[in-house]
Amino acid sequence: NAGVTQTPKFRVLKTGQSMTLLCAQDMNHEYMYWYRQDPGMGLRLIHYSVGEGTTAKGEVPDGYNVSRLKKQNFLLGLESAAPSQTSVYFCASSTPGGWETQYFGPGTRLLVL
Amino acid sequence: RKEVEQDPGPFNVPEGATVAFNCTYSNSASQSFFWYRQDCRKEPKLLMSVYSSGNEDGRFTAQLNRASQYISLLIRDSKLSDSATYLCVVKGTGGFKTIFGAGTRLFVKA
Repeated sequence: NAGVTQTPKFRVLKTGQSMTLLCAQDMNHEYMYWYRQDPGMGLRLIHYSVGEGTTAKGEVPDGYNVSRLKKQNFLLGLESAAPSQTSVYFCASSTPGGWETQYFGPGTRLLVL
Repeated sequence: RKEVEQDPGPFNVPEGATVAFNCTYSNSASQSFFWYRQDCRKEPKLLMSVYSSGNEDGRFTAQLNRASQYISLLIRDSKLSDSATYLCVVKGTGGFKTIFGAGTRLFVKA
């Protein structure tokens, strides 16, 4: 099993450009999450999904959109990138429940100039 | 005030030392507690869950104090391979509001 994979691994964008980050998991997990990690701030939840076709806002959703058309995939879109969106983006997945482990992908490093 | 606070460190310890990390959380309704480990430029991985009764896994011991709203992680007989950032994680009711601390950096030196 590959677990959770993310593409691309690294990307440089200019302000105003758009892009989509792809997350895929092969563990048949219901829940999927997108986080961003910035120095000194820990991981912050952007959006999450509790199942195919459903999405919800997390702590810092502004400037991002998501879609979960297939259970195994969770896409994060930036419609008009801003320098404040320079960050490391992690996708994670888990089974339902309060004590479930979240399995993370390797991350995407995004630099917005 | 941050919802989950950790001492950022870094903690610099020699091999074989015992080191303790503390974490405090502000929401008394929090339900689940964890320690994750993150190596440099890698993704976080679960180290252990923290139950009310405390739990131990080899050299690692985690404890929860609900009354004082803090969580601790004790590492005994530190190894070079323990060098990493340790993230305190608290989850609220409903299962989705997962708050990560900023992490405590540990360096174990020979």
